[in-house]
Amino acid sequence: AQKITQTQPGMFVQEKEAVTLDCTYDTSDPSYGLFWYKQPSSGEMIFLIYQGSYDQQNATEGRYSLNFQKARKSANLVISASQLGDSAMYFCAFRGGSNYKLTFGKGTLLTVNP
Amino acid sequence: KAGVTQTPRYLIKTRGQQVTLSCSPISGHRSVSWYQQTPGQGLQFLFEYFSETQRNKGNFPGRFSGRQFSNSRSEMNVSTLELGDSALYLCASSLGWEVEAPRGTEAFFGQGTRLTVV
Repeated sequence: AQKITQTQPGMFVQEKEAVTLDCTYDTSDPSYGLFWYKQPSSGEMIFLIYQGSYDQQNATEGRYSLNFQKARKSANLVISASQLGDSAMYFCAFRGGSNYKLTFGKGTLLTVNP
Repeated sequence: KAGVTQTPRYLIKTRGQQVTLSCSPISGHRSVSWYQQTPGQGLQFLFEYFSETQRNKGNFPGRFSGRQFSNSRSEMNVSTLELGDSALYLCASSLGWEVEAPRGTEAFFGQGTRLTVV
């Protein structure tokens, strides 16, 4: 079974600074996808970024980028120029093969300080 | 285009009752997945429907069931509610099959239904 690990229960960052949220995974699937979601206190899960296992380049979406190191089985999220509105829970999720089930990590609570 | 719509947003039920939650996916998406989120267990997969057929199922008791209609809208039902069923129930919408662009595998979530069992 796949396993997703987010080792940082909480992170603090100053406004306008960059922050890296860690995510490692364990799988034997040759084809898989990795996702990052943001969940504000309202509860909605907001899709941020996706990385496919065969993608040659690291994914980027605006201020979000994914540092994908396939050999190390890590998919860290980098948020550049943090904003106060970035304060939320962040979840890393894994999808393997043709299975559309997402397996989530425990999440990291990010707090952006002014 | 419209996002994923879940109704109702909040629900309070009594132990032993049953409840039905609804999810309308993004237009054109044929896969709908359901997740339960609790502080103790985190986000757990319940089941996934594609073209009215259940494709995947998580490790939940038979009290949890679902279905999908021809318009891709999905409902989730929980019978004989227990206190431990109190949770945020999230629905995710996807195209449902691999397409050339990697976007085919993306899952977009609704705002969730917060169920409280008393």
